[in-house]
Amino acid sequence: AQSVTQLGSHVSVSEGALVLLRCNYSSSVPPYLFWYVQYPNQGLQLLLKYTTGATLVKGINGFEAEFKKSETSFHLTKPSAHMSDAAEYFCAVSGANQAGTALIFGKGTTLSVSS
Amino acid sequence: DGGITQSPKYLFRKEGQNVTLSCEQNLNHDAMYWYRQDPGQGLRLIYYSQIVNDFQKGDIAEGYSVSREKKESFPLTVTSAQKNPTAFYLCASSIQLGQRYEQYFGPGTRLTVT
Repeated sequence: AQSVTQLGSHVSVSEGALVLLRCNYSSSVPPYLFWYVQYPNQGLQLLLKYTTGATLVKGINGFEAEFKKSETSFHLTKPSAHMSDAAEYFCAVSGANQAGTALIFGKGTTLSVSS
Repeated sequence: DGGITQSPKYLFRKEGQNVTLSCEQNLNHDAMYWYRQDPGQGLRLIYYSQIVNDFQKGDIAEGYSVSREKKESFPLTVTSAQKNPTAFYLCASSIQLGQRYEQYFGPGTRLTVT
């Protein structure tokens, strides 16, 4: 069965600092992995996704993530944080149910950015 | 603009009443989903549908019902049998059912039952 673990429910960084949000997954099949961002009282917006091919995936707003099969990880990074990056971030793996379509989400990491 | 709309954004109901949450998409997507979000819990799948007149239970379907009479619409009814209905509800859609297709989310409906 698939599962996702996001390490750290809350991460705080200073503006301009590196952002690193950690995600580890468990999957019995080759995983499709996603990162979503959620601003308060809004829906989720897709940041980036890994399906197959290149293991370093670039997304919107300067974010990227690297799929590391040996470490079962898909950590999200951004070289320099902006105030506008403050939000909740969700890592997800797909293929969990019998239809192979449900997304299994981590519990989320809230990113705070201070000036 | 293509997208997913959910209405209303905030909904208040008395305990014991059924309530229906609206979800409409104009993306021409075949698959639609309902998730429930609770603080610190992530999102959990309630129901999903891959085609008109067909839908399947997700992980937490008890106390909920859905219909899919039109491709564009996938309303969710929260019944009085749902023990803890207060939550943020998110509707999503994807081009098709399948692992490789990312899901697009609506803005959500926050339901409060007292």
